[in-house]
Amino acid sequence: NAGVTQTPKFQVLKTGQSMTLQCAQDMNHNSMYWYRQDPGMGLRLIYYSASEGTTDKGEVPNGYNVSRLNKREFSLRLESAAPSQTSVYFCASSVNQPQHFGDGTRLSIL
Amino acid sequence: AQSVTQPDIHITVSEGASLELRCNYSYGATPYLFWYVQSPGQGLQLLLKYFSGDTLVQGIKGFEAEFKRSQSSFNLRKPSVHWSDAAEYFCAVGRSNDYKLSFGAGTTVTVRA
Repeated sequence: NAGVTQTPKFQVLKTGQSMTLQCAQDMNHNSMYWYRQDPGMGLRLIYYSASEGTTDKGEVPNGYNVSRLNKREFSLRLESAAPSQTSVYFCASSVNQPQHFGDGTRLSIL
Repeated sequence: AQSVTQPDIHITVSEGASLELRCNYSYGATPYLFWYVQSPGQGLQLLLKYFSGDTLVQGIKGFEAEFKRSQSSFNLRKPSVHWSDAAEYFCAVGRSNDYKLSFGAGTTVTVRA
């Protein structure tokens, strides 16, 4: 059972480069989410998609864009990466609650 | 807006000893409450959840949590910890009318032999 799959697992970027983080779920969940995790701050919601075809901003959306490609896939794009976006990014999915998480993408921006 | 406070950043406990992790939340209505565990380099795994009903909920790996409305708390407990319980633990609160979660900052648990 794959659950929520995130690619890549690790990535190093230079400031100003662009990157898309991929997320796919095989649980037929309607809702999908992107979080970032920073030391001492828990997880903060970047964007979410309550259902296919809809996306909404979360707590920290600046510098990011998302695409809900279909029911399975929800991607996160950094158009011009900044060092402040160095973080661990988690994708999650759900039908109502609770949310199920992927293993994360560790992103470093130099 | 809801919020979650985990007062303890780091807890060290001896193997075989009991463990209690504190969680306080702020939310105007009855919340949905969760505890997640994150092992190093891994994603978050759901330990247990509270939606309604019995205020003492049982989860996986021998964990339990008690919802106390009067104290706005949802503390996590385990009677006897194992070395494999060393991890970071997150409390989260959600609302009944949407699917978003607010997370606490996390508590790191170290287990000593």
